[in-house]
Amino acid sequence: DIQMTQSPSSLSASVGDRVTITCRASQSISSYLNWYQQKPGKAPKLLIYAASSLQSGVPSRFSGSGSGTDFTLNISSLQPDDFATYYCQQSYTTPPVTFGQGTKLEIK
Amino acid sequence: QVQLVESGGGVVQPGRSLRLSCAASGFTFSSYGMHWVRQAPGKGLEWVAVISYDGSNKYYADSVKGRFTISRDNSKNTLYLQMNSLRAEDTAVYYCAKDFADCSGGSCYLGVSILDYWGQGTLVTVSS
Repeated sequence: DIQMTQSPSSLSASVGDRVTITCRASQSISSYLNWYQQKPGKAPKLLIYAASSLQSGVPSRFSGSGSGTDFTLNISSLQPDDFATYYCQQSYTTPPVTFGQGTKLEIK
Repeated sequence: QVQLVESGGGVVQPGRSLRLSCAASGFTFSSYGMHWVRQAPGKGLEWVAVISYDGSNKYYADSVKGRFTISRDNSKNTLYLQMNSLRAEDTAVYYCAKDFADCSGGSCYLGVSILDYWGQGTLVTVSS
């Protein structure tokens, strides 16, 4: 199975900051990488699919990049609503679907 | 709008069974693969199972293979997860999720494993 590793595991930032979260796959997954946002007590929400395609309705301050084994999620200017946990997920070799361990973004 | 509503969670003793349901609306249910994903308390997301749009193909995580069964009733727009021989480590919130790919053309197998809509989840607690 393909392993997904996110860094950092947690991150403190302020409103207005630019934030980058990294996801690394244990083997090449081309651009088959998706990002989800989860707030406490809520279901995950798809933000970005195919490494860089923004899901409908997601603010443009979110962007994704990368291919092969290394990927990033960028938030250009943090808003209060963005403090959440973020997960990457590979959809290259499935099943099984595999997720990263998550990155918790907290307010500084 | 797409809605997925899970039900059937609760407290169950180890070794017993439980069946979860996921009622879908707002899209053509019979055209999409569907997934179950779980999240143990304070932990990350763990994929559990997937079923193709027509129910003909199913796959499971190794952790539940042989104990859990995914199924669907397209006439009722409902997805199911039958969970047998439950263990303490199965304690989690269980989410159903819709696959991104429209399989109405009949050629997309399981879908693309992009989970674009999720239900609110149902909590399963396995405890004596």
